[in-house]
Amino acid sequence: GENVEQHPSTLSVQEGDSAVIKCTYSDSASNYFPWYKQELGKRPQLIIDIRSNVGEKKDQRIAVTLNKTAKHFSLHITETQPEDSAVYFCAASILGNDMRFGAGTRLTVKP
Amino acid sequence: DTEVTQTPKHLVMGMTNKKSLKCEQHMGHRAMYWYKQKAKKPPELMFVYSYEKLSINESVPSRFSPECPNSSLLNLHLHALQPEDSALYLCASSLREVRESSGANVLTFGAGSRLTVL
Repeated sequence: GENVEQHPSTLSVQEGDSAVIKCTYSDSASNYFPWYKQELGKRPQLIIDIRSNVGEKKDQRIAVTLNKTAKHFSLHITETQPEDSAVYFCAASILGNDMRFGAGTRLTVKP
Repeated sequence: DTEVTQTPKHLVMGMTNKKSLKCEQHMGHRAMYWYKQKAKKPPELMFVYSYEKLSINESVPSRFSPECPNSSLLNLHLHALQPEDSALYLCASSLREVRESSGANVLTFGAGSRLTVL
């Protein structure tokens, strides 16, 4: 089955700086890559996603890049704010309903 | 209605008890999921129902028994659980069956049921 690795496990940045979280996946058949944000005690919520036919997608301060050849994808958050502090999970899916999550990155944005 | 509703929010049960977790959505989603999440860990897929039929069972022990009575409801029946089964159980739903969505299947999660097994 699909195996998703995520790095780093923790990330601390100053407010206004950029944050980058990286994931790799094992199965080249994976074709859908979402990112979820989970605040403490809350449910995971989708923040951005990308399909395998696209190399980059941007939504305001958030962007995701995908390198299919290398089987890795990354989340970029620019101009970070304290409310960006949360755990971020990447995921990969081959069939669409078999979502596998990475181990998560705890992002802390210091004011 | 754009939410997935889970009840109860918290459940404490003994190892000999029988209890159920419930999940409901009224977004017309045809795929529903159970995930298990331990503290500081990612959600782990347990079961997937597509059009009310079980399509994925991730080798989950039989003490967990899923049920999908209709397209809006998903239950997880619990019996003879172990303390290590204590976790947050997340229900999720997505719009359509996987092969119709070309691989893109946005999950909407419920708030979860926090289960403690004594």
